[in-house]
Amino acid sequence: AQSVTQLGSHVSVSEGALVLLRCNYSSSVPPYLFWYVQYPNQGLQLLLKYTTGATLVKGINGFEAEFKKSETSFHLTKPSAHMSDAAEYFCAVSDEDNAGKSTFGDGTTLTVKP
Amino acid sequence: NAGVTQTPKFRVLKTGQSMTLLCAQDMNHEYMYWYRQDPGMGLRLIHYSVGEGTTAKGEVPDGYNVSRLKKQNFLLGLESAAPSQTSVYFCASSSLGGRGELFFGEGSRLTVL
Repeated sequence: AQSVTQLGSHVSVSEGALVLLRCNYSSSVPPYLFWYVQYPNQGLQLLLKYTTGATLVKGINGFEAEFKKSETSFHLTKPSAHMSDAAEYFCAVSDEDNAGKSTFGDGTTLTVKP
Repeated sequence: NAGVTQTPKFRVLKTGQSMTLLCAQDMNHEYMYWYRQDPGMGLRLIHYSVGEGTTAKGEVPDGYNVSRLKKQNFLLGLESAAPSQTSVYFCASSSLGGRGELFFGEGSRLTVL
């Protein structure tokens, strides 16, 4: 069975500061890992994904994440926060054997202070 | 670029009423999913489909039924709505199953009184 834990339901940073959103996963087979962003009253959209290959993946809007198998982690980072980054972020895991069913974390709300 | 379209976007029901949510995708995706989103609980999978004519139960299927008669459409039905089904419902589709990203609709907000 798969599971995802996002540490911290709310994260607040100042504009220009580092953003770090934490995600740990559990999977019995090699995982595919995703970060999605949700703006108010909208659906989720993909930020970045890891399937195979390079463990450091870059996404849209300056975000990146590193797959660390030994730590079962896939933390999301951005060097410098912008006001427009304020949103809810979801980490998700799926795998080849699971008909594409993704398991989502509970989400982290990012607040950016001016 | 329509992508994934959900109708209706808002609906208020009384307990015991029935309704159907429609999801349509124009990307020729094989895989389609219905999730519900509740505060602090992320997204939970209700039902899914791996192709036209197929459906399967997800994590929280009770009280819901689905049908996929056409590849582009995935319908979610509530036969007898309950207040516990008050939620925001998201439809998603994917071309690659587990390896691929999910493309989401904008959501349907359902309130059951």
